[in-house]
Amino acid sequence: NAGVTQTPKFRILKIGQSMTLQCTQDMNHNYMYWYRQDPGMGLKLIYYSVGAGITDKGEVPNGYNVSRSTTEDFPLRLELAAPSQTSVYFCATQQGTWSFFGQGTRLTVV
Amino acid sequence: GESVGLHLPTLSVQEGDNSIINCAYSNSASDYFIWYKQESGKGPQFIIDIRSNMDKRQGQRVTVLLNKTVKHLSLQIAATQPGDSAVYFCAENTNTGGFKTIFGAGTRLFVKA
Repeated sequence: NAGVTQTPKFRILKIGQSMTLQCTQDMNHNYMYWYRQDPGMGLKLIYYSVGAGITDKGEVPNGYNVSRSTTEDFPLRLELAAPSQTSVYFCATQQGTWSFFGQGTRLTVV
Repeated sequence: GESVGLHLPTLSVQEGDNSIINCAYSNSASDYFIWYKQESGKGPQFIIDIRSNMDKRQGQRVTVLLNKTVKHLSLQIAATQPGDSAVYFCAENTNTGGFKTIFGAGTRLFVKA
């Protein structure tokens, strides 16, 4: 039982490049979330999904897109990377009040 | 707007002492309040939660207190151990159109041996 798996663990992007952060879960949870965590800060919600085919914006959605074609996968897309998107990105699922987090993707935009 | 914040960014305690981490929140409509522990290089892990209609909940070595009058939440860790060193986040959870969890900035706990 792997839980929540994020890939890649680290990535360096040049300004203007695009990439997709992958997130997959094997717990059959309907709720999935993407957060970003800036140094010394808490987690800010980017996008969330309450089930396959349904996504919605969180607190800081600008510059990102998501899709949820299956229960298992919730990829996060950055189209035009900017230095302000340098952060650690966490994917999470939720069952009841409990959130289960992946190990994170550390992204640097230079 | 909604916010969950912490009073102290860092807390240093002696091994064996009790730790108290505090949190203020502003959304009185939140359904649950949750504490997470984040060790270096890892994602946050659930510690304990408390429903908004409760004022105290105990777990293994941890107790969460909720004071709705002053919108204050605290996490008490008994007999703090080196393995408790981490960043602790309080979070509030509202079930409006899907569970949305809002996290505070976090408190870093250092345990001195």
